[in-house]
Amino acid sequence: QQQVKQSPQSLIVQKGGISIINCAYENTAFDYFPWYQQFPGKGPALLIAIRPDVSEKKEGRFTISFNKSAKQFSLHIMDSQPGDSATYFCAASTASKLTFGTGTRLQVTL
Amino acid sequence: DSGVTQTPKHLITATGQRVTLRCSPRSGDLSVYWYQQSLDQGLQFLIQYYNGEERAKGNILERFSAQQFPDLHSELNLSSLELGDSALYFCASSVEGYSNQPQHFGDGTRLSIL
Repeated sequence: QQQVKQSPQSLIVQKGGISIINCAYENTAFDYFPWYQQFPGKGPALLIAIRPDVSEKKEGRFTISFNKSAKQFSLHIMDSQPGDSATYFCAASTASKLTFGTGTRLQVTL
Repeated sequence: DSGVTQTPKHLITATGQRVTLRCSPRSGDLSVYWYQQSLDQGLQFLIQYYNGEERAKGNILERFSAQQFPDLHSELNLSSLELGDSALYFCASSVEGYSNQPQHFGDGTRLSIL
C-alpha cells in the first residue's frame, strides 16, 4: 500500500528557478517528515525535515511547507543550481519506520 | 560523508546462495535500520535494531534476517537468494531510534543475483 504519494516523477528546471516537489500522505500517525537527496551511486542524504506542529521550515535554499489538514507537504528549492540535479525523496515516519515516496528526478539546466 | 559504513559495496552471487551485508553505524548512534531499494518497489524499510534488540519490522522476507552486535555493528543475512533479491541494500543509523530522529544512510551494498 502506497502511503506516501510523490509528484512529479521528474522535473526539469532552469538554473536560478524554483523547484517544487509535492507529497501527500494518508496515515495520520506519521509524526516526522524528512526529505532526502540521492546522487547516483550514493545513499540518500538527509536534506531537511519537519514535524507536523510546524507549517514551514527553511534551511538555506531549501524550504518545507507542511499542511496538516490537507495531509500534504512540499519541498521548494530556491535558486536551483546544476549541482542540485539529483533524485529527491520525501518520507514520513511513525514508530521510527520511514515510508518513502517514489522519488523525483530533478534536472537543473544551464 | 554520513559516517555510516557499509561493506561490501558490490556483491555478485548466484541464485540459492547466502550472503551477509555489514553495517557500522555513526559513532554514538544506537539504532540501525535496513532498507531495500529496487526499481519496482522503491525504498522499503526492512528492519530496525536498537542497542542489540529488534525494535521494528517492515517488509522483510523470512529468508532474510539481521542482528546487531554488542559493538553496535549490524549484519543483514540474505539466504536462498532469488533473482528478485537483486537490489541496493542500505543501512541507516540514528541516535536512539525514536520516530522523529534523523536517520543517516550509508552508501549501500549493490547486490546482483545471476
